[in-house]
Amino acid sequence: EDQVTQSPEALRLQEGESSSLNCSYTVSGLRGLFWYRQDPGKGPEFLFTLYSAGEEKEKERLKATLTKKESFLHITAPKPEDSATYLCAVRRGFGNEKLTFGTGTRLTIIP
Amino acid sequence: DARVTQTPRHKVTEMGQEVTMRCQPILGHNTVFWYRQTMMQGLELLAYFRNRAPLDDSGMPKDRFSAEMPDATLATLKIQPSEPRDSAVYFCASGLVGKNTEAFFGQGTRLTVV
Repeated sequence: EDQVTQSPEALRLQEGESSSLNCSYTVSGLRGLFWYRQDPGKGPEFLFTLYSAGEEKEKERLKATLTKKESFLHITAPKPEDSATYLCAVRRGFGNEKLTFGTGTRLTIIP
Repeated sequence: DARVTQTPRHKVTEMGQEVTMRCQPILGHNTVFWYRQTMMQGLELLAYFRNRAPLDDSGMPKDRFSAEMPDATLATLKIQPSEPRDSAVYFCASGLVGKNTEAFFGQGTRLTVV
């Protein structure tokens, strides 16, 4: 069974203090690792998809990386508006579009 | 601005009542998902459809939950009878197989069963 574990559960940073969020996964035949951002009272918002080990993607202050066992979401010089819950999900196999999610990391950036 | 639309946004109902949640997927998307989110379990897949056909509903309690796609612009999730443990936020998401492989989520329906 696919498993996704995110750490830490919660992270508080000062504005400008860079850090990383971790997503460890176990999946048979990974066919995409996804990062989403979720604000309170809203649906998850798509950020990145990574497909193979060594791949990296960037968007503003966020950079996602992927290895064969885990993914990191690096946040550089964060701002208060980066505060949100960040969710990681995996999809396996062909013909199966199901996403299995981790429980998320709640990130708070303090001004 | 293409988006997934869910109605209602909030629903409070009494135990034993029927609840129907609706979702309008993004036009042209051929895959629709229903997820349930709780503090304890996070996001759990209930069911998903491709080209309106149900492909996986193994996460759904079959005795009380049902999911359908009457047409390409409407997906429904019904709970009958509802129970307090069904209280959660229910999300619909849609995607396009083979191209934009990410799923786009709606704003959710917050269900409270009292």
